[in-house]
Amino acid sequence: QQQVKQSPQSLIVQKGGISIINCAYENTAFDYFPWYQQFPGKGPALLIAIRPDVSEKKEGRFTISFNKSAKQFSLHIMDSQPGDSATYFCAAGGGGGADGLTFGKGTHLIIQP
Amino acid sequence: NAGVTQTPKFRVLKTGQSMTLLCAQDMNHEYMYWYRQDPGMGLRLIHYSVGEGTTAKGEVPDGYNVSRLKKQNFLLGLESAAPSQTSVYFCASTVGQGLEQYFGPGTRLTVT
Repeated sequence: QQQVKQSPQSLIVQKGGISIINCAYENTAFDYFPWYQQFPGKGPALLIAIRPDVSEKKEGRFTISFNKSAKQFSLHIMDSQPGDSATYFCAAGGGGGADGLTFGKGTHLIIQP
Repeated sequence: NAGVTQTPKFRVLKTGQSMTLLCAQDMNHEYMYWYRQDPGMGLRLIHYSVGEGTTAKGEVPDGYNVSRLKKQNFLLGLESAAPSQTSVYFCASTVGQGLEQYFGPGTRLTVT
């Protein structure tokens, strides 16, 4: 079974700090690695995504770091704000397969004011 | 442009009852998916479709059936509901594999 392992399960960060969430995957055929943000009672929404031809992608305060040889990728949230408090999911997909995304189990992030 | 919509938003079933969840998208997407979300489990793929008239099994298909008679609609059926099917169900669509999936707001189903 294809797996994406995500850590930590929960994370508390002070306002203005850096939030870091890590993921590891097994299937080397994956070629699309998105991060989704989910607020309570809402569906997941795409935050940022990366493909394995680059090692880093930055959009505003959000950065994905990607290590192809280690099969790991991480989300960094700079200058974390209370509005960033949500559940974050990493995922992996593509590689020629049409069978959706394989998700990590999620990280519940709380940004304390 | 409503994106992905799901009907109903909430439902309570008794064990053994049946129901159908409706997903509709207005983005002309070929690919559609049904996921279930359980606490601490992330999202798991139930069934998916790569185009009108096609369906395929995902990671956890047992107890569910699907149909894609129209490109814009993807139906998820529970023929005989079980308490283990208590979950939040999300539908998603995308224009192609390896591209952004757009999620609906979810259906919270409780089976007693």
